[in-house]
Amino acid sequence: DVKVTQSSRYLVKRTGEKVFLECVQDMDHENMFWYRQDPGLGLRLIYFSYDVKMKEKGDIPEGYSVSREKKERFSLILESASTNQTSMYLCASRQDRLYGYTFGSGTRLTVV
Amino acid sequence: QKEVEQNSGPLSVPEGAIASLNCTYSDRGSQSFFWYRQYSGKSPELIMSIYSNGDKEDGRFTAQLNKASQYVSLLIRDSQPSDSATYLCAAFNDYKLSFGAGTTVTVRA
Repeated sequence: DVKVTQSSRYLVKRTGEKVFLECVQDMDHENMFWYRQDPGLGLRLIYFSYDVKMKEKGDIPEGYSVSREKKERFSLILESASTNQTSMYLCASRQDRLYGYTFGSGTRLTVV
Repeated sequence: QKEVEQNSGPLSVPEGAIASLNCTYSDRGSQSFFWYRQYSGKSPELIMSIYSNGDKEDGRFTAQLNKASQYVSLLIRDSQPSDSATYLCAAFNDYKLSFGAGTTVTVRA
């Protein structure tokens, strides 16, 4: 089974801090994604990557950046955390377009 | 208009009954469709995928796709308390999966 691992299950950060969320997959998938999930708003795509060192903006990239230096690792960066970035963050990877995503266990981030 | 819309629910069904979940999508170019189950506090888990018009069965789950009507559904037969969760419909187009807001199902014992 594909395993997608997110480094932290819960995080509490202060406003203005730089925050790193790490995601690692073990199945050599080329496609990786970062979503956030909020009540009533569903899952919204932040950034995605088709290959190493490649990144594309999703629907809500503002306030975020990403890094993909190695195929298995896709990091989400909050440059200056704000309270409206309090959310559940979900990383996912995919083999190709015919397959659904496999999600990590999620990181619940609270910005105070 | 949202790309993927689901009947909002919540849906409450008695144990052993059929739960019926509906989803419509706006992009006619959507190529593949997925149903995810998400338990409270957990991440989504893929339960069904469907690519062609018609029905696809997997155990107690049946997915139905009608591309002409841009409609996807999920039937859960013989519903069990363990089926109580939020079900997310997703459509693949261009480069990403677009998700509906989800339908919460509660199975009453």
